[in-house]
Amino acid sequence: DGGITQSPKYLFRKEGQNVTLSCEQNLNHDAMYWYRQDPGQGLRLIYYSQIVNDFQKGDIAEGYSVSREKKESFPLTVTSAQKNPTAFYLCASSIYVNTEAFFGQGTRLTVV
Amino acid sequence: AQKVTQAQTEISVVEKEDVTLDCVYETRDTTYYLFWYKQPPSGELVFLIRRNSFDEQNEISGRYSWNFQKSTSSFNFTITASQVVDSAVYFCALSERFGNEKLTFGTGTRLTIIP
Repeated sequence: DGGITQSPKYLFRKEGQNVTLSCEQNLNHDAMYWYRQDPGQGLRLIYYSQIVNDFQKGDIAEGYSVSREKKESFPLTVTSAQKNPTAFYLCASSIYVNTEAFFGQGTRLTVV
Repeated sequence: AQKVTQAQTEISVVEKEDVTLDCVYETRDTTYYLFWYKQPPSGELVFLIRRNSFDEQNEISGRYSWNFQKSTSSFNFTITASQVVDSAVYFCALSERFGNEKLTFGTGTRLTIIP
């Protein structure tokens, strides 16, 4: 089935550690996105990529890094520089910008 | 700057009642796109509708309908004869045509349908 797969579903990290969240899509979409969701807030854009080997910072990129080496994959690394990383992270893709985005099931990251 | 406001944080209605979720947006662009997404307890956002700024026709899809009014910058969502499966968080979102490739989301409305 076509879709977006995020893994893992739950992730625990110790303070000071980097952690990488996986996002894979088989929809042949050019654009991919990472959003962060906190309770009581909407989704906020971390990074987005419109094409392979290119990506742009969103509203809250500090403390995060991404890569887009393949069209299908857009992993997100939460670095130790991110001061408040506990959140729900959603990956999405769309055919191109301004079209509907399709979302993965999310990764819930908890810092312990 | 683009902005989306969903003033209703939480709504509860009894099953079979109709319910309207409000969405007000701000943009300086003349070409823009509006979206509604549903987030069930599983967490995945489900796309419901996309509307561009040049199409003000209301749309109906089964029990769902959307009322787009540029004059009031609103894009409201109505569920008719609500069902328990409609319980979820609903997000309204906006994207502009130029210089901004992202979706800007509202803070969401948590809808609870009481059996």
